[in-house]
Amino acid sequence: DQQVKQNSPSLSVQEGRISILNCDYTNSMFDYFLWYKKYPAEGPTFLISISSIKDKNEDGRFTVFLNKSAKHLSLHIVPSQPGDSAVYFCAASAKYNFNKFYFGSGTKLNVKP
Amino acid sequence: DVKVTQSSRYLVKRTGEKVFLECVQDMDHENMFWYRQDPGLGLRLIYFSYDVKMKEKGDIPEGYSVSREKKERFSLILESASTNQTSMYLCASLRQANEKLFFGSGTQLSVL
Repeated sequence: DQQVKQNSPSLSVQEGRISILNCDYTNSMFDYFLWYKKYPAEGPTFLISISSIKDKNEDGRFTVFLNKSAKHLSLHIVPSQPGDSAVYFCAASAKYNFNKFYFGSGTKLNVKP
Repeated sequence: DVKVTQSSRYLVKRTGEKVFLECVQDMDHENMFWYRQDPGLGLRLIYFSYDVKMKEKGDIPEGYSVSREKKERFSLILESASTNQTSMYLCASLRQANEKLFFGSGTQLSVL
């Protein structure tokens, strides 16, 4: 039972344009959401997070949007750079079971120069 | 920032061998985790520990065990390695609820 889904396995974007990565979840108890970036043969690195009390969080080129009614979050990268090419995972957790993180299957972003 | 160190980046083992993967974190976090990552499957939780000597099974514990004798160290043990355990293994630590997981650099294990 996959509670967090990333339906796009891959995304290709031109350098300088916007990258939009999407994530859907099913559990309405999730109250904390995160995005991680992962390069091959390395561990995931934290990008940005959002609490369910907010609908937007911004950090430099990265913005995460949360739509609780649709159980959907998205990561916007503007402008995209070739160094952003990596696999992006979204994750969710709930305070009542905070040790359990649910990860999506990942979206591989390719930013073309 | 928190440092999570995994002892090996790459390991090659034979089927049936006992394999130890070590992980150390330096920020006094209570919670530590072992995940495996396979293409198209995301990160799947094997085991986690919320205190010294305390452990709980994750989603895919079969064929694995763990040990947490000291707060900073969390070990993953493959009792008898099999080829379907070839994977990227990721250790992580967490301070408390609604905070981020810190990951190590991963161990790419190949079982031949």
